[in-house]
Amino acid sequence: EVQLVESGGGLVKPGGSLRLSCAASGFTFSSYSMNWVRQAPGKGLEWVSSISSSSSYIYYADSVKGRFTISRDNAKNSLYLQMNSLRAEDTAVYYCARVKVEMATIGAFDIWGQGTMVTVSS
Amino acid sequence: QSALTQPASVSGSPGQSITISCTGTSSDVGGYNYVSWYQQHPGKAPKLMIYDVSNRPSGVSNRFSGSKSGNTASLTISGLQAEDEADYYCSSYTSSSTCVFGTGTKVTVL
Repeated sequence: EVQLVESGGGLVKPGGSLRLSCAASGFTFSSYSMNWVRQAPGKGLEWVSSISSSSSYIYYADSVKGRFTISRDNAKNSLYLQMNSLRAEDTAVYYCARVKVEMATIGAFDIWGQGTMVTVSS
Repeated sequence: QSALTQPASVSGSPGQSITISCTGTSSDVGGYNYVSWYQQHPGKAPKLMIYDVSNRPSGVSNRFSGSKSGNTASLTISGLQAEDEADYYCSSYTSSSTCVFGTGTKVTVL
């Protein structure tokens, strides 16, 4: 079964750091670009970051640029999001999502994880 | 990058058709055929319903269809069913090589 499972969420103080992980299974992880998408409580979806299959291309939303770092380990079938200098407005459910087309850098997100909650509060 | 504009809510009776619009700019919706639509039920992860403007993934009902004209994309749900009640989001690739989502539309089945 094709699956993405996020972990690493939790409660963190403003200015703190957190590292999210996304474990992939059921497909050739190294062939797909991956993304992080977040959703604040009661709000809409917000794209956060993307990384190509070989990590050659990395992009960030302006709202997280300079604070968040996306990375992947194809040998471990895992995607990561290192979040530093966290703010209250970063509070959200964070989803990892796969780009639909193999080897494509852009496109629709066809597989989503169940999400992990990040709460930034003192 | 500003969010794409969607109506906050759309409603219809069972069996009717509804259309949700998604308005962007020439730097996103109007410039690329990489518009997608997602359905999200409360407490669940989003589900891909339409990709590349008008294509349906395997397993998605043919009651869902997508189109685009200029800077506006549209999702049409025909033969509305109770299970279609959910939030719907459009998304597009952008000229900055990023992705932007729409503001979201709550679909209510009367």
